[in-house]
Amino acid sequence: GAVVSQHPSRVICKSGTSVKIECRSLDFQATTMFWYRQFPKQSLMLMATSNEGSKATYEQGVEKDKFLINHASLTLSTLTVTSAHPEDSSFYICSASSTLVAAGTDTQYFGPGTRLTVL
Amino acid sequence: LAKTTQPISMDSYEGQEVNITCSHNNIATNDYITWYQQFPSQGPRFIIQGYKTKVTNEVASLFIPADRKSSTLSLPRVSLSDTAVYYCLVGTPEGGGNKLTFGTGTQLKVEL
Repeated sequence: GAVVSQHPSRVICKSGTSVKIECRSLDFQATTMFWYRQFPKQSLMLMATSNEGSKATYEQGVEKDKFLINHASLTLSTLTVTSAHPEDSSFYICSASSTLVAAGTDTQYFGPGTRLTVL
Repeated sequence: LAKTTQPISMDSYEGQEVNITCSHNNIATNDYITWYQQFPSQGPRFIIQGYKTKVTNEVASLFIPADRKSSTLSLPRVSLSDTAVYYCLVGTPEGGGNKLTFGTGTQLKVEL
């Protein structure tokens, strides 16, 4: 149980284009989803937190107009990188949590990640 | 959010028990302690979570002293496939979501 998927697993795009990454909780309803970014040899950096049906909360330094997050249902959140540039190339990972999975602990379950390369 | 401190790296051999200790001196009353494992180019995988004393599951044990200012992840009889980065995190449910801050993690290398 508690499986989270991401699509696509890899994407290569040209500079200036937009890329959408999907995150799905397959066997549970995710009240909250998180988006992280990880550069090589570094730790995960939280970008934003989103609750179903409401606007995402972005971490300091993350441009909300560049990284659009939509959490339209309890099983799907999307991250759109708009006007991508080479410096946006990174490993993007989502996670989902729900008190329905482990009551009282809000354990996060992570997706497999999406490797974005911007040429 | 409580900050965590872990060793940057550890080396071990197959069949040995590995203990990774994490310090979290300013852990809050409502914080849980969670450990994740991450392989290269994969998302972190949940290992174990606890609040106090000892928790054991099929892959690891988590030891938490009474003051909860540290915790130790114990991996029994490691194998080569346990080579990965291990993250210790503390967090509290906030408005339905447990916001976590990842530290540097511990790179565990298991050799023959």
